[in-house]
Amino acid sequence: DAGVIQSPRHEVTEMGQEVTLRCKPISGHDYLFWYRQTMMRGLELLIYFNNNVPIDDSGMPEDRFSAKMPNASFSTLKIQPSEPRDSAVYFCASSSYFDSPYEQYFGPGTRLTVT
Amino acid sequence: AQSVTQLGSHVSVSEGALVLLRCNYSSSVPPYLFWYVQYPNQGLQLLLKYTSAATLVKGINGFEAEFKKSETSFHLTKPSAHMSDAAEYFCAVSDRNRDDKIIFGKGTRLHILP
Repeated sequence: DAGVIQSPRHEVTEMGQEVTLRCKPISGHDYLFWYRQTMMRGLELLIYFNNNVPIDDSGMPEDRFSAKMPNASFSTLKIQPSEPRDSAVYFCASSSYFDSPYEQYFGPGTRLTVT
Repeated sequence: AQSVTQLGSHVSVSEGALVLLRCNYSSSVPPYLFWYVQYPNQGLQLLLKYTSAATLVKGINGFEAEFKKSETSFHLTKPSAHMSDAAEYFCAVSDRNRDDKIIFGKGTRLHILP
């Protein structure tokens, strides 16, 4: 398996623009997680899905952030409008509760810079 | 609620010396515990995990960790540090509900001195 795939790897955008981050989980995994990592706040869980259904979005910073998982092989994290404080590395991770409980596999991340 | 505390945001050791990264956990139920490693410009990857079997857990790259219930600790060790071990290390505890969520610590950056 190719592992968790994220795109783009780097994104530079101007304040106010819409940003869409994409994730393809490992085939067969039933959980998908979105994290944000910054120097100041460390690693934060934003939202996670089970079988494409959002389970907990309490980590989403505000209404400007939204996430979807239309099918088992694709998820998006959207920021609209973006702000400089959204600059961070965003990670997607997936796991299989029945095969290896709690073992999360991380993608390489998307480094977002908002100017 | 489950949580982990990592002591020391930065640890420096000389190449060839013992590596010891400290992690204490808090859990209302028997925990599953993990160590993840993040190399520069990469995502996190699982180093080792404790799931209530043997208390001494061996992981990749010569790392191991020991679960000590009496001390609520899960410290990570490696007998001899290598330059390639320089990375950030995260301790984590399972949420132990039916979801696959885990709670990460704030991380410890390991520096290897030549």
